Amino acid sequence: AQKVTQAQTEISVVEKEDVTLDCVYETRDTTYYLFWYKQPPSGELVFLIRRNSFDEQNEISGRYSWNFQKSTSSFNFTITASQVVDSAVYFCALSEEAGTALIFGKGTTLSVSS
Amino acid sequence: GAGVSQSPRYKVAKRGQDVALRCDPISGHVSLFWYQQALGQGPEFLTYFQNEAQLDKSGLPSDRFFAERPEGSVSTLKIQRTQQEDSAVYLCASSLGLGSNQPQHFGDGTRLSIL
Repeated sequence: AQKVTQAQTEISVVEKEDVTLDCVYETRDTTYYLFWYKQPPSGELVFLIRRNSFDEQNEISGRYSWNFQKSTSSFNFTITASQVVDSAVYFCALSEEAGTALIFGKGTTLSVSS
Repeated sequence: GAGVSQSPRYKVAKRGQDVALRCDPISGHVSLFWYQQALGQGPEFLTYFQNEAQLDKSGLPSDRFFAERPEGSVSTLKIQRTQQEDSAVYLCASSLGLGSNQPQHFGDGTRLSIL
């Protein structure tokens, strides 16, 4: 069965702190895709990144970085020097080669205060 | 606009009424998905279209839920005889390619409240 676990329900940080959002997934497939989405208060889910199961190279995009480790079935997301605009709910999601649906975790609410 | 458009943004209905939620995907996107998001939860899959064909409706919670995409573009999610547990945000997403390995782009959602 496929499952995505985001153990951190809420995280609060002060601006300029670094913060890591954890994501652990379960799947029996060897080919799968992992995603991170951001959901600001407006409600729209904003796509941040997609990784496939064959590419374990970590990725950095500005203040965002992602650490994919198949050995621990984790796909963690780090925001460096957080800003108030980073406040949102962040979802990790999984999709499998043969399937069509995204399986989401329950999300982590990040609050960044000034 | 260039994004996924959903209407209405908010919908309030009395228990037992029928409702219809509309999704206008990004132009040219083949795949269209509906998700249901309860308060404080992640989105849960309802159904999937590839062009006008509904390929997967395994997530629809009951036969009161019905979705269509007759011309392979705009889609409508209909809920008949609404119940209070149907209260949620209904999200529509579209993607360019076939299958789930393409990023899905989401609309703002319709917040449905059943009184």
